[in-house]
Amino acid sequence: AQKITQTQPGMFVQEKEAVTLDCTYDTSDQSYGLFWYKQPSSGEMIFLIYQGSYDEQNATEGRYSLNFQKARKSANLVISASQLGDSAMYFCAMREVNDYKLSFGAGTTVTVRA
Amino acid sequence: ETGVTQTPRHLVMGMTNKKSLKCEQHLGHNAMYWYKQSAKKPLELMFVYNFKEQTENNSVPSRFSPECPNSSHLFLHLHTLQPEDSALYLCASSHTLGGDQPQHFGDGTRLSIL
Repeated sequence: AQKITQTQPGMFVQEKEAVTLDCTYDTSDQSYGLFWYKQPSSGEMIFLIYQGSYDEQNATEGRYSLNFQKARKSANLVISASQLGDSAMYFCAMREVNDYKLSFGAGTTVTVRA
Repeated sequence: ETGVTQTPRHLVMGMTNKKSLKCEQHLGHNAMYWYKQSAKKPLELMFVYNFKEQTENNSVPSRFSPECPNSSHLFLHLHTLQPEDSALYLCASSHTLGGDQPQHFGDGTRLSIL
């Protein structure tokens, strides 16, 4: 069964605006971690932000914030004040506490327009 | 200097060739991973090494042969590959297996099988 679902294959956003990327996950574990990665066309996967299932506050890292809704099993990434360099593929991933493997979603392509 | 370096960046080979992909990490991590990323598919974990010992072989065909001589280096030896093996191969490392530690990725090797 698919553990990570990203329903938006592609999105366009105007420069300087905010964009929200959806991610829902499926797990029966109480303890898990959620990660977001950015992959530009060059190929490298860049770690952006982490949210632990027991973290009470939403994670933030510069212009990235994670809207974590545990009951809904969603971990949406918000990118504020979009820049042209934010154009890339974005992947949501999860690791359950008893597993070291990361399960990745299919990704969302973000294109920032000037 | 980037944390995880992969060479070559691009590789074109025939089905009867033998080649190797190299990954080196300068982060002092103990775990290293090989992933395969095909078009329109989520990342597929191939192999995991922890302190040089292989802990995961995710049903990968024997035409892919990993080697981990030390915690800083990881190789993927290729022989008699098939056209469906054309993909982006990503190496990653993490301080430990599991926990809240993110995996750090290299730029990947784009492999094309003729």
